[in-house]
Amino acid sequence: TQLLEQSPQFLSIQEGENLTVYCNSSSVFSSLQWYRQEPGEGPVLLVTVVTGGEVKKLKRLTFQFGDARKDSSLHITAAQPGDTGLYLCAGAGVNSNSGYALNFGKGTSLLVTP
Amino acid sequence: SQTIHQWPATLVQPVGSPLSLECTVEGTSNPNLYWYRQAAGRGLQLLFYSVGIGQISSEVPQNLSASRPQDRQFILSSKKLLLSDSGFYLCAWSAGQTYEQYFGPGTRLTVT
Repeated sequence: TQLLEQSPQFLSIQEGENLTVYCNSSSVFSSLQWYRQEPGEGPVLLVTVVTGGEVKKLKRLTFQFGDARKDSSLHITAAQPGDTGLYLCAGAGVNSNSGYALNFGKGTSLLVTP
Repeated sequence: SQTIHQWPATLVQPVGSPLSLECTVEGTSNPNLYWYRQAAGRGLQLLFYSVGIGQISSEVPQNLSASRPQDRQFILSSKKLLLSDSGFYLCAWSAGQTYEQYFGPGTRLTVT
């Protein structure tokens, strides 16, 4: 199992602030996904990054895949209460023998207050 | 468009009772299917995955089992529930040779 560590575990900020959350591993991943989950619902896919150093933007969210494909970050600009949720990263191993299964981190729980 | 359904949405069962959770996918063929368990709103633990009818792989030893009787149907079962089986169960699918997974709404299971 390829372990993904997410930090911080919890983050509480006010509307309008910027934030960055991290996803780190000692293993190389062929691709990495970010999901957002709201309480009582299933996770929703936000983005997939594949190439080392890749940067993708989704409105106020910026995702970056590390050059060595071992880590990733998610930056949110001017956070809004609607950004509240659990942010999960998930990686696909380079030499995975588990079909197309993903390894999930434990997530960063974000609370944005008005 | 593709949709994924899970039922029931919530379930309260006594210890020792059987379990059957169902997941169906619409709008796609030959999906990869997955069962996860999530404890206390944290990370997802992969329980089972399937790349085709009758093909089930187990990731962790437990008293749960999975079956895929049809292409787009995935069932999670137990003969006798334990207290530790409580949690939020999520079904997901992915298309062919891709890693992007799409999740159902989940089932909240409480074993009493």
